[in-house]
Amino acid sequence: DTEVTQTPKHLVMGMTNKKSLKCEQHMGHRAMYWYKQKAKKPPELMFVYSYEKLSINESVPSRFSPECPNSSLLNLHLHALQPEDSALYLCASSQDAGTGAVNTEAFFGQGTRLTVV
Amino acid sequence: SQQGEEDPQALSIQEGENATMNCSYKTSINNLQWYRQNSGRGLVHLILIRSNEREKHSGRLRVTLDTSKKSSSLLITASRAADTASYFCATDGMDTGRRALTFGSGTRLQVQP
Repeated sequence: DTEVTQTPKHLVMGMTNKKSLKCEQHMGHRAMYWYKQKAKKPPELMFVYSYEKLSINESVPSRFSPECPNSSLLNLHLHALQPEDSALYLCASSQDAGTGAVNTEAFFGQGTRLTVV
Repeated sequence: SQQGEEDPQALSIQEGENATMNCSYKTSINNLQWYRQNSGRGLVHLILIRSNEREKHSGRLRVTLDTSKKSSSLLITASRAADTASYFCATDGMDTGRRALTFGSGTRLQVQP
């Protein structure tokens, strides 16, 4: 199984709502990532979890709260978002998590298309 | 933050022609990877080239890497309409020890049937 599964595929939420994005992989990867992608732009790194510990937070606003309950699951909790947070949110995983380099490919989910109204 | 730039930003060719995309990056790297993204979907890994390699092939793909110029190119030969997608180069952060990929600005490829 070389899939990264993200749910939901689409999400529309109001600025006062609380919602969560979910990501799951069963490849035994120990590094998991959240990226944000705006239209016609490259993915931008938000968070990295390595061995279930948060290792990188790219100065993401606190209205985005990541969680890694176990080695297969990654969540992104959303609260009080702004319309400019509307984007494609991509989850990825990779095998390499113990060194200072990403020496293997990353596997991406199909993303959650988030619209904040 | 964006690691590098890709050019061209957009490329339109006819089926059967070759497509060449270029990527420049700023920091030292362990490897450089190329990914493909169909519209609004996830990224798919195409090829990885290590910093001590100069050229690598995979099917219709040919990647070159010039670490002295901090640049890479992706060549797709005999293109097909199904190759229509955005293509991104991605690098790790050897200098900073960042254990994550940083993506270039991307090239949108349109292959006309």
